Amino acid sequence: RKEVEQDPGPFNVPEGATVAFNCTYSNSASQSFFWYRQDCRKEPKLLMSVYSSGNEDGRFTAQLNRASQYISLLIRDSKLSDSATYLCVVSDGNQFYFGTGTSLTVIP
Amino acid sequence: ETGVTQTPRHLVMGMTNKKSLKCEQHLGHNAMYWYKQSAKKPLELMFVYSLEERVENNSVPSRFSPECPNSSHLFLHLHTLQPEDSALYLCASSQVLGLEAFFGQGTRLTVV
Repeated sequence: RKEVEQDPGPFNVPEGATVAFNCTYSNSASQSFFWYRQDCRKEPKLLMSVYSSGNEDGRFTAQLNRASQYISLLIRDSKLSDSATYLCVVSDGNQFYFGTGTSLTVIP
Repeated sequence: ETGVTQTPRHLVMGMTNKKSLKCEQHLGHNAMYWYKQSAKKPLELMFVYSLEERVENNSVPSRFSPECPNSSHLFLHLHTLQPEDSALYLCASSQVLGLEAFFGQGTRLTVV
């Protein structure tokens, strides 16, 4: 059983579109939640932490539903530069569990 | 961004070689991690150190040997590797275990 599950995509969307990624996790005792972005052949970079109250950073909105063990990331007004793989990451306080990532390509 | 630096960036080694990967973090973090990333697979945790003490070992083959001489440095010693060990090896650090982790650029390892 995977600790973190994501739809691998790929998602191909036009510039300006709104796209949503979902993620589920199996450990109800998970404590911290994150979205990372990984460009091809580069290291993962922290995009944002995810809080129970939901949080927004510019065009990006993340939400957490602890009851359903579900995390989401919404990207509004997609830019070409948003093309990347988005990793859902969950921590139990000792280690991080990574999803396989969701591939996004924003098309001109 | 130079918060976490890894060397070398690329490494090609034979199955009988011994080599070491180095990671250094300049963020004042107390936890450091080694991850392996293979194609089409999620990141796999290899080792975790907190305050220079190993806290996790996910059944990693003994041909991989970590070393954490201080809270800023982490090494991964490699010997008699197999071709299937070819992957991107990523080092990360966090303020404490479980908080936001920051990654180095990785070492792309090829075993021939």
